[in-house]
Amino acid sequence: AQKVTQAQTEISVVEKEDVTLDCVYETRDTTYYLFWYKQPPSGELVFLIRRNSFDEQNEISGRYSWNFQKSTSSFNFTITASQVVDSAVYFCALTNFGNEKLTFGTGTRLTIIP
Amino acid sequence: DGGITQSPKYLFRKEGQNVTLSCEQNLNHDAMYWYRQDPGQGLRLIYYSQIVNDFQKGDIAEGYSVSREKKESFPLTVTSAQKNPTAFYLCASALIGDGNQPQHFGDGTRLSIL
Repeated sequence: AQKVTQAQTEISVVEKEDVTLDCVYETRDTTYYLFWYKQPPSGELVFLIRRNSFDEQNEISGRYSWNFQKSTSSFNFTITASQVVDSAVYFCALTNFGNEKLTFGTGTRLTIIP
Repeated sequence: DGGITQSPKYLFRKEGQNVTLSCEQNLNHDAMYWYRQDPGQGLRLIYYSQIVNDFQKGDIAEGYSVSREKKESFPLTVTSAQKNPTAFYLCASALIGDGNQPQHFGDGTRLSIL
């Protein structure tokens, strides 16, 4: 069975601070895919990044960066110089090859204080 | 623009009543999914379909039914057997056979009991 754990339920930081959201996953598949989604107050889920199990390169996209480590089964997400617009619930998710279903973590509610 | 349309945005159900949530996509995606979101519990899969006229139960299918008569449409019926239907419902679609492709989500339907 697959499992995704986001141990941080809520995080609050002051604007311009850096913040890291943790994600730990469990799977028996050798080929799998990891995702981060953002859910703003309006409710829709916005796709942020995907990473496959064969690619452990870390990635930076603007103020966002992701740290994938298979050795610790972690896929952490960092926002640099946070902004109020980053306030949202962030979900980490896992799927197998074939994309049959996404297994979501319970989400981390991030609040950026102006 | 291509995307996923869910309707209505808000829905109210009376006791003993069945209600149907609409989900339409024009992304030419093969697979479609229904998720339920409760506060603090992340998203849980209700049903999914990878081809027309075929669908599979997810983790919490009891009290729900679906149909997939057209590739573009995947309506969800919340039956009177679902005793706790109040939740936020999200529909998603994706290309299949390549887990590297993210699921795309609609804006959601918020269902409440009258």
